[in-house]
Amino acid sequence: DIQMTQTPSSMPASLGERVTISCRASQGISNYLNWYQQKPDGTIKPLIYYTSNLQSGVPSRFSGSGSGTDYSLTISSLEPEDFAMYYCQQYDSSPLTFGSGTKLEIK
Amino acid sequence: QVQLQQSGAELVKPGSSVKISCKASGYTFTSYDMHWIKQQPGNGLEWIGWIYPGNGNTKYNQKFNGKATLTADKSSSTAYMQLSSLTSEDSAVYFCARWILQWDYFDYWGQGVMVTVSS
Repeated sequence: DIQMTQTPSSMPASLGERVTISCRASQGISNYLNWYQQKPDGTIKPLIYYTSNLQSGVPSRFSGSGSGTDYSLTISSLEPEDFAMYYCQQYDSSPLTFGSGTKLEIK
Repeated sequence: QVQLQQSGAELVKPGSSVKISCKASGYTFTSYDMHWIKQQPGNGLEWIGWIYPGNGNTKYNQKFNGKATLTADKSSSTAYMQLSSLTSEDSAVYFCARWILQWDYFDYWGQGVMVTVSS
């Protein structure tokens, strides 16, 4: 199975700050990498697919990049609704696997 | 609009089975894979498997072979997951999620079902 190592596990940040969350795969995944957001009520929604494509309706302050084994999610200027959990997910090979999550907290 | 409405929380005894549901609406149920994902308290997300309701084909994470059984009822646009021989390790929130094949990601998620295994 491909292991997805997500860092940091938690990140205190301030409104308006630029933040980057990293995700490293245990082997190359050819950009087959998605990002999801989970709100405190448990609701999960997609943010980014195929490394850098923004899901419809997701604000442009979210962006994704990466290649090979290393990927990242960047939020350019934090809004109050962005404080949540974030997960990366690879689909290069079965089983699909997720990162362990990053909790974005208010500083 | 697309909605995935999951059944309510379950409290079940060790050794028993439970069947949870995911009712789809707002799209052609038989045209999209439905996946199931496990989230244990304080833990990340773990992929269980998928079913293609159009023909009933399934694929499982090997870890869940024998634990989870996925089915789908086309007449009611509902996907089901049965979990058997339950232990405390099965206590978790279980999500259904639609996979959009064109772009290869989970575009809609259910709200999750909490399953608690306790005597």
